[in-house]
Amino acid sequence: AQKITQTQPGMFVQEKEAVTLDCTYDTSDPSYGLFWYKQPSSGEMIFLIYQGSYDQQNATEGRYSLNFQKARKSANLVISASQLGDSAMYFCAMRGALIQGAQKLVFGQGTRLTINP
Amino acid sequence: DAGVIQSPRHEVTEMGQEVTLRCKPISGHDYLFWYRQTMMRGLELLIYFNNNVPIDDSGMPEDRFSAKMPNASFSTLKIQPSEPRDSAVYFCATQLAANTEAFFGQGTRLTVV
Repeated sequence: AQKITQTQPGMFVQEKEAVTLDCTYDTSDPSYGLFWYKQPSSGEMIFLIYQGSYDQQNATEGRYSLNFQKARKSANLVISASQLGDSAMYFCAMRGALIQGAQKLVFGQGTRLTINP
Repeated sequence: DAGVIQSPRHEVTEMGQEVTLRCKPISGHDYLFWYRQTMMRGLELLIYFNNNVPIDDSGMPEDRFSAKMPNASFSTLKIQPSEPRDSAVYFCATQLAANTEAFFGQGTRLTVV
């Protein structure tokens, strides 16, 4: 079974600092994808970044980067130069390659990030 | 494109009533997912469709829940009869193709009293 673990229920960071949100995963699939989503207080789920298990380079999207360490089964999200608008819940998710439910996303419990001015 | 559109945004209903949640996917997206979010269980997949065909409904909690996708432009999730434990935020998400990112709607917050 696939499992995502986010060990930080909440984080507080000063504006303009970099922040790392932790995510570890467990799967027996050789091929899988890792995702990060942001959920602001308004409730919508916003896709941030994707990393494939066979990708050689860490994914980057603007201020977001994914620190992918395959041997450690971790996929931490790094936000550089944090902004007040980054305050939100952040979810790590995984999609495996099993035939049954191959497109299913399994989510972690989330980390609530608060950016202080 | 307007993104994934869900309606209603909020629904309050009495226990025992039928509830229908609606979703309009992004045009051209082959996959459609229904997820439920609660404090206790987090985000969990209920069912998903590929080209309007249900592929995996193993997350549907019980027979009170049903989902349909009569065409590529519309899907419904129905709860009949509703119970207070069904109170949650229900998300519809769509995906262009296999192994691409899923885009979520704004969700429907359901409260069953």
